[in-house]
Amino acid sequence: GAVVSQHPSRVICKSGTSVKIECRSLDFQATTMFWYRQFPKKSLMLMATSNEGSKATYEQGVEKDKFLINHASLTLSTLTVTSAHPEDSSFYICSASSRDTEAFFGQGTRLTVV
Amino acid sequence: GQNIDQPTEMTATEGAIVQINCTYQTSGFNGLFWYQQHAGEAPTFLSYNVLDGLEEKGRFSSFLSRSKGYSYLLLKELQMKDSASYLCAVMDSNYQLIWGAGTKLIIKP
Repeated sequence: GAVVSQHPSRVICKSGTSVKIECRSLDFQATTMFWYRQFPKKSLMLMATSNEGSKATYEQGVEKDKFLINHASLTLSTLTVTSAHPEDSSFYICSASSRDTEAFFGQGTRLTVV
Repeated sequence: GQNIDQPTEMTATEGAIVQINCTYQTSGFNGLFWYQQHAGEAPTFLSYNVLDGLEEKGRFSSFLSRSKGYSYLLLKELQMKDSASYLCAVMDSNYQLIWGAGTKLIIKP
């Protein structure tokens, strides 16, 4: 199957700093990328959907100024957690799809804010 | 290494029952998830199992045996809208999600 690479897999940052997470589709052009957040033993929570070259569509309750999503090319999307706080500590995962295909998932990023 | 195995594709008839199996080998275990995904859409959560046994939710049920590294998703009274990919995912000891490749389920009238 297609490969989606997410980096970094783990990151620890200080409260108040910003963290960028990258999601790359390695062998296909991803017209749509999804960003999720997952709390322990809970299901994935969709944060936003981004289409290449346009602004991301955020789910209700997700702060767009705090979780900046950029999908500048067909192979790369980034999620930047700005002014991180301990409550932002979570598991973030991306998935990428091309038109009319299923989405392929990245490995996830465990963010710990101290 | 870590891996999740599930069949690539299955075909079933409308109104029937289908069982999608998932076997896993992971470093530790913190739960197993099943998701449904239609083409071009984000996956939707179906079930979460962390203890052995059967969890029933309407037409869908999920079973887990941790000693066997095995789970299945059971779909009853199949409807055409159930045609989708079904993803099995395991959370390992580091709370990393390991994904199966998905099973494409085709429902025929």
